[in-house]
Amino acid sequence: SAVISQKPSRDICQRGTSLTIQCQVDSQVTMMFWYRQQPGQSLTLIATANQGSEATYESGFVIDKFPISRPNLTFSTLTVSNMSPEDSSIYLCSPDPFGQGSSGYTFGSGTRLTVV
Amino acid sequence: AQKITQTQPGMFVQEKEAVTLDCTYDTSDPSYGLFWYKQPSSGEMIFLIYQGSYDQQNATEGRYSLNFQKARKSANLVISASQLGDSAMYFCAMREDPGGTSYGKLTFGQGTILTVHP
Repeated sequence: SAVISQKPSRDICQRGTSLTIQCQVDSQVTMMFWYRQQPGQSLTLIATANQGSEATYESGFVIDKFPISRPNLTFSTLTVSNMSPEDSSIYLCSPDPFGQGSSGYTFGSGTRLTVV
Repeated sequence: AQKITQTQPGMFVQEKEAVTLDCTYDTSDPSYGLFWYKQPSSGEMIFLIYQGSYDQQNATEGRYSLNFQKARKSANLVISASQLGDSAMYFCAMREDPGGTSYGKLTFGQGTILTVHP
């Protein structure tokens, strides 16, 4: 399965600012999934990032708030824009395991974001 | 509509005993996958076990086994010989087969907090 490097691991940010989270994978993957986990909650998919095309956002998430880049098949970023305390969550990336010879989806170590 | 349901917010088990964590799912897709993940307090997501909808036998991985009852749409996780390090949040998740060149996104249940007592 893919080895994933996600940065930063945690951050404390002022409201109104933006944070960009990076996800680097050690192999080429077709799609990258970005999830949010609010405190005490389950994981919710934000968007699916495919190289060379705009990301596909789930209901309740919009590109202006969570812009995503996917410049190549091993890298993706998620930006949390104009942050408010409600954005305090763990954000996780997960590469699509298709073609990786593994059934299990792996996840980045997560970015624990606190907005003050 | 909730596609993955975990009805046990919290479970307690004595060390060295077995415990079953419940998961039911809802899908009309004949091809799907079911997953269990462990999330310790550090926040990382650790893949435990996978069951495909066409798999004839229940999946096993070490102390973890998946009790797959397709007709009942349940995929319960059984942890045998519990250890103190098993204390964590456990998530059940489902992938519905989108076809093409993707395995598709995961939908997660609400999670079950497992506490192992010494």
